Amino acid sequence: GAVVSQHPSWVICKSGTSVKIECRSLDFQATTMFWYRQFPKQSLMLMATSNEGSKATYEQGVEKDKFLINHASLTLSTLTVTSAHPEDSSFYICSGRRRGKFFGQGTRLTVV
Amino acid sequence: QKEVEQNSGPLSVPEGAIASLNCTYSDRGSQSFFWYRQYSGKSPELIMSIYSNGDKEDGRFTAQLNKASQYVSLLIRDSQPSDSATYLCAVNSGGSNYKLTFGKGTLLTVNP
Repeated sequence: GAVVSQHPSWVICKSGTSVKIECRSLDFQATTMFWYRQFPKQSLMLMATSNEGSKATYEQGVEKDKFLINHASLTLSTLTVTSAHPEDSSFYICSGRRRGKFFGQGTRLTVV
Repeated sequence: QKEVEQNSGPLSVPEGAIASLNCTYSDRGSQSFFWYRQYSGKSPELIMSIYSNGDKEDGRFTAQLNKASQYVSLLIRDSQPSDSATYLCAVNSGGSNYKLTFGKGTLLTVNP
């Protein structure tokens, strides 16, 4: 199946700082990638759809100025959590749009 | 709002038994359906996809789809302790865009 690599696997940051998460498609070109967030014991919730060369599409209730998405190439999308706060602590997962089924390893973000 | 419902469980079965996981969805226009397995702290792993009514078998796993009843199920035969995980049902209502809506998942425990 398609391989999506996500980095870092986990990160701890101080409140108020920014964190960048990378999502790479290793063996296919991803014109579209999806970013999900999962809180403990909850399901995955789609945050935004990342489109190569254009602006991301955010789901209702997701602050686009807080969660900056850049999709500058066909193999890389990045999610930057700006001015992170403890309530942003979550498991962030991306998927590449090769039938949208294959997920990266996820990034565990802890904001202290 | 598109919804995917699953029994949160936990579902407990003895080793070697059949585990039955169920999922209902609200959007009649949904076109493709997926079952993922998620171990604690890990990213979801695709187990099965199903697109048309009926059964689809892959090894010990059988997915069943009934679009008239808006119902998807996953059967796991000869359950193993390694099958213990949370199983997520996901529904694609976005056509070729492959935006998935996830259920909250069912926690399955297989007892040796």
